[in-house]
Amino acid sequence: QKEVEQNSGPLSVPEGAIASLNCTYSDRGSQSFFWYRQYSGKSPELIMSIYSNGDKEDGRFTAQLNKASQYVSLLIRDSQPSDSATYLCAVPGYSSASKIIFGSGTRLSIRP
Amino acid sequence: GAVVSQHPSRVICKSGTSVKIECRSLDFQATTMFWYRQFPKQSLMLMATSNEGSKATYEQGVEKDKFLINHASLTLSTLTVTSAHPEDSSFYICSAREGFTEATDTQYFGPGTRLTVL
Repeated sequence: QKEVEQNSGPLSVPEGAIASLNCTYSDRGSQSFFWYRQYSGKSPELIMSIYSNGDKEDGRFTAQLNKASQYVSLLIRDSQPSDSATYLCAVPGYSSASKIIFGSGTRLSIRP
Repeated sequence: GAVVSQHPSRVICKSGTSVKIECRSLDFQATTMFWYRQFPKQSLMLMATSNEGSKATYEQGVEKDKFLINHASLTLSTLTVTSAHPEDSSFYICSAREGFTEATDTQYFGPGTRLTVL
């Protein structure tokens, strides 16, 4: 089982709809969770971080965390063509020397 | 958010030459820096993790003598691709992390360096 799993997509969503991106992780002890957005040819950009169970909202983005189910998701409301990108879920380790584990990413396409 | 810079953004070199890429954290001190490589349409691949003042930890399959990493200060890490060959052509991305508490464990990425080896 991969440590961080995401559906590779592509996920196609009509403009204005809600895009739902999902991620599962294997380490029950994980405390921090991140969502990054990566446009083609660019480096990843941090969108959201979430540490506690429940929802965290930031503009059109909502991160949802369920530690019992080891599941974290990202909702994008009112999807825009500019949201078309690959979204990476990331879960860091405990210590300062440990690496952050990235999922393989979900490619999202917003169709006009 | 914190800013990480990378230089150069793009480099083209001849086969057999060495290329140095710099990664700097501009407004925070990075206890840990990471180097990734990404081939077209593929995921990020972690190459190595470096902590200031100590030797880098390389991922399995990454040649430490070919990809030299130096993390001499809390704001600068360098990756040197020695004797580069066309198969080393890729998008190299660094990232930096300030600490490991909830408030500081976020990893920030540099803009990346596109290396083309002819």
